[in-house]
Amino acid sequence: QKEVEQNSGPLSVPEGAIASLNCTYSDRGSQSFFWYRQYSGKSPELIMFIYSNGDKEDGRFTAQLNKASQYVSLLIRDSQPSDSATYLCAVNLNKLVFGAGTILRVKS
Amino acid sequence: DTGVSQDPRHKITKRGQNVTFRCDPISEHNRLYWYRQTLGQGPEFLTYFQNEAQLEKSRLLSDRFSAERPKGSFSTLEIQRTEQGDSAMYLCASSPRDRGNTGELFFGEGSRLTVL
Repeated sequence: QKEVEQNSGPLSVPEGAIASLNCTYSDRGSQSFFWYRQYSGKSPELIMFIYSNGDKEDGRFTAQLNKASQYVSLLIRDSQPSDSATYLCAVNLNKLVFGAGTILRVKS
Repeated sequence: DTGVSQDPRHKITKRGQNVTFRCDPISEHNRLYWYRQTLGQGPEFLTYFQNEAQLEKSRLLSDRFSAERPKGSFSTLEIQRTEQGDSAMYLCASSPRDRGNTGELFFGEGSRLTVL
């Protein structure tokens, strides 16, 4: 079982819609969770992190964490073509362990 | 803040040759990480340093790989006797000590290795 699992996609959504990206993790002791965005040919950049169960909102982005279900999600509201990228879920296990990423395509 | 810089950006080599990559982290960042990324995959952890101490090395990393961070500043990653399976993007990232456990890593642009 992989430590962090994501659906590779691609996930296609129309401009203005909500994009929902999901991630599961295997280590119940994990305490902190991160979403990185990676544009094609570029390096990952941090967009959000979450430590506590529930929701955390930052602009158009909302991270959701359910530790009982070992599930993390990222919602992107009012999706824009510029949001088209690979979204990487990561778990802090003394170092960041990344999932394979989900490709998001926002169509105008 | 000049960001994390990596050199070279691209390296093409023949199988069996040795290659070395260099990473200059953001100044005053105590932690430095090396990751490897192949197409369609997320970054795979290789090793990390806090200052000059190498604190963890992936058990998946063969003995052909070695990393150093002398004086706690820049770091080098050397791959000896390269194999075609070593072809990948090698990413360096740094983090300040007070955010070392938050997962906020600042990545360089990477060094792409192609082994023929």
